[in-house]
Amino acid sequence: AQSVSQHNHHVILSEAASLELGCNYSYGGTVNLFWYVQYPGQHLQLLLKYFSGDPLVKGIKGFEAEFIKSKFSFNLRKPSVQWSDTAEYFCAVNLKSGGYNKLIFGAGTRLAVHP
Amino acid sequence: EAGVTQFPSHSVIEKGQTVTLRCDPISGHDNLYWYRRVMGKEIKFLLHFVKESKQDESGMPNNRFLAERTGGTYSTLKVQPAELEDSGVYFCASSQPGTGGIYEQYFGPGTRLTVT
Repeated sequence: AQSVSQHNHHVILSEAASLELGCNYSYGGTVNLFWYVQYPGQHLQLLLKYFSGDPLVKGIKGFEAEFIKSKFSFNLRKPSVQWSDTAEYFCAVNLKSGGYNKLIFGAGTRLAVHP
Repeated sequence: EAGVTQFPSHSVIEKGQTVTLRCDPISGHDNLYWYRRVMGKEIKFLLHFVKESKQDESGMPNNRFLAERTGGTYSTLKVQPAELEDSGVYFCASSQPGTGGIYEQYFGPGTRLTVT
């Protein structure tokens, strides 16, 4: 069965530290990849997405992610985090095959940034 | 443009009772999805509507769950009778018209259901 793994469940950083959150998926076909973020008390919102083309995608708020097909990975990065990046981050894949149009999520990573 | 809305935001019910959750998608979005997150676990797909038709209900846990989408607008998810393991956050999402492409899903705030 298709699945998404997020390596870290909890990450604690100081402001200005660099961030990398790991995401691996298990599916051999064509995938569309997403990172969603949920700030405290807010909706899930899209941070960035990869459909095709340049495997390095830029998202909102200075985030980026790199799709490495050979490694089945889509890691999220930010060079310098801020206190306002404290949130829960979810990696998700959307299977691009026939009638499939559902998101499969990882378990989420809670990021706490200390000032 | 209004986003996806869900009602209620919280619901606390006793085991054996019935609860109905409502989702209003973004206007014009034909695709509507229900997801659920049990505490500490991943967000899991429940089902997908295209307009009023169920496209995929492979994630529905059992026949205590009934989803409807009358007239292809808002959707309801009824749990009857509720069990303790049904507790969690129920998310609704919608996406733009079309069934062949992949569109960004816009999520609602979720309904936190607690079954005691």
